[in-house]
Amino acid sequence: NAGVMQNPRHLVRRRGQEARLRCSPMKGHSHVYWYRQLPEEGLKFMVYLQKENIIDESGMPKERFSAEFPKEGPSILRIQQVVRGDSAAYFCASSPSTAPVKTQYFGPGTRLLVL
Amino acid sequence: SQKIEQNSEALNIQEGKTATLTCNYTNYSPAYLQWYRQDPGRGPVFLLLIRENEKEKRKERLKVTFDTTLKQSLFHITASQPADSATYLCALDMSRGSQGNLIFGKGTKLSVKP
Repeated sequence: NAGVMQNPRHLVRRRGQEARLRCSPMKGHSHVYWYRQLPEEGLKFMVYLQKENIIDESGMPKERFSAEFPKEGPSILRIQQVVRGDSAAYFCASSPSTAPVKTQYFGPGTRLLVL
Repeated sequence: SQKIEQNSEALNIQEGKTATLTCNYTNYSPAYLQWYRQDPGRGPVFLLLIRENEKEKRKERLKVTFDTTLKQSLFHITASQPADSATYLCALDMSRGSQGNLIFGKGTKLSVKP
């Protein structure tokens, strides 16, 4: 059973460009979470999605950031008009819908560098 | 808002000793508290979960305690090995009965010297 997949693993963008980060959850998992980790900082929650629904986006900046988890295909975190402060590691995690507790399985992350 | 503190940024110990990492939180107690391991350049890996009504949980050389009075969790690695060197993250799960996000501490970087 493959784990959580994220791609690309590394992404370089110039200021003002768009960044698209993809996450395929573990097989059978229908809950996806996105976190951001800045250098020397802890993981910060951004958004929680189920298939076709955003459940909690309280940690996501209101501007420039959006997330989706379509019925088919991976979850996408989209950052428009990137700025240098967006440089960070972005982690996706998934959990099964039947789980009574929310153990989350993390992907390897996408490291975004904005020049 | 809920805050989490992990007692030290770095902990250096000798192989064979017991490593003890601390996680303190403010405000109200979480439904669950989880510990993860993160290696450089990798995503966190789940280790152990303890519920608010549990005092202690063990898994092989790992032991977690949870004291809701002190608002503290301790994470122990006995007979530590150099391969245990990594950053250990404490995470609070505040939701009860529904899925939701975790609140992570900044982590403690453990180095086990041979």
